[in-house]
Amino acid sequence: GAVVSQHPSRVICKSGTSVKIECRSLDFQATTMFWYRQFPKKSLMLMATSNEGSKATYEQGVEKDKFLINHASLTLSTLTVTSAHPEDSSFYICSARDARSNQPQHFGDGTRLSIL
Amino acid sequence: AQTVTQSQPEMSVQEAETVTLSCTYDTSESDYYLFWYKQPPSRQMILVIRQEAYKQQNATENRFSVNFQKAAKSFSLKISDSQLGDAAMYFCAYQGAQKLVFGQGTRLTINP
Repeated sequence: GAVVSQHPSRVICKSGTSVKIECRSLDFQATTMFWYRQFPKKSLMLMATSNEGSKATYEQGVEKDKFLINHASLTLSTLTVTSAHPEDSSFYICSARDARSNQPQHFGDGTRLSIL
Repeated sequence: AQTVTQSQPEMSVQEAETVTLSCTYDTSESDYYLFWYKQPPSRQMILVIRQEAYKQQNATENRFSVNFQKAAKSFSLKISDSQLGDAAMYFCAYQGAQKLVFGQGTRLTINP
C-alpha cells in the first residue's frame, strides 16, 4: 500500500529555535498534502493544505508566519515551526493524497515536538 | 461547513463480543466519502474502512462493517468478535471536495 514517511518522529529543542518536519510520499505522487496538529486525547485539527507548487492554504486561526509550509515537489512537503515556544509543543501529523485518484489520504506516523 | 459528531467519548466491550461506535455528520454536499480511522497508542492513523456516499451497500472489511444511513447522515462502525488489539481511539471522518473533517473520537477499551 501507499506509504508516507514523516521525519523526525520525535524532537526536543530549546525555545526560540526553528524546527523542520518532513513528509514524503514514497510510492505515489502527492499532489496534495495536509498538516494536522493533535493535542493529547483530542482529535486531529487541520492546520493547512498544500498543493504541489502552490502556496499553502491555512485554516482559520493558524499563523502562517509561525508554521511555514513548503510543497516544492510531488513527493515532499515540509512544515517549519519558526521561533518555537513551549505552547507549540504538540503532535504533528502529515498526510498525502494524489488528488487525481479517488484514493484516501495516507498518513505519516507523526512527530512529537517538545519545546523546552 | 461540514461537521462530524461522535457522541460516545468512551466505549468498552468484552473480548469476542460486538460493539457499535456511533457517528453522525452534517453536509450539503451530495458526493463525499466517509471513513473510520483507528489510532492505537503508537498514534499511527490506520484506515479501518471507507464508504462512498453514492454506494447504498454498506462497506465491510473482515470483522469491521458500517451501517450507512445517508438520509439520516449516520455512519456507525460495528466491530464483531472484538480482540484485544482493537483497543484504540476511533475517529470517524468525512471527506468532501477538499479536506478531511474528523469527529472528536471514541476511546474503545477491550475487556479480557
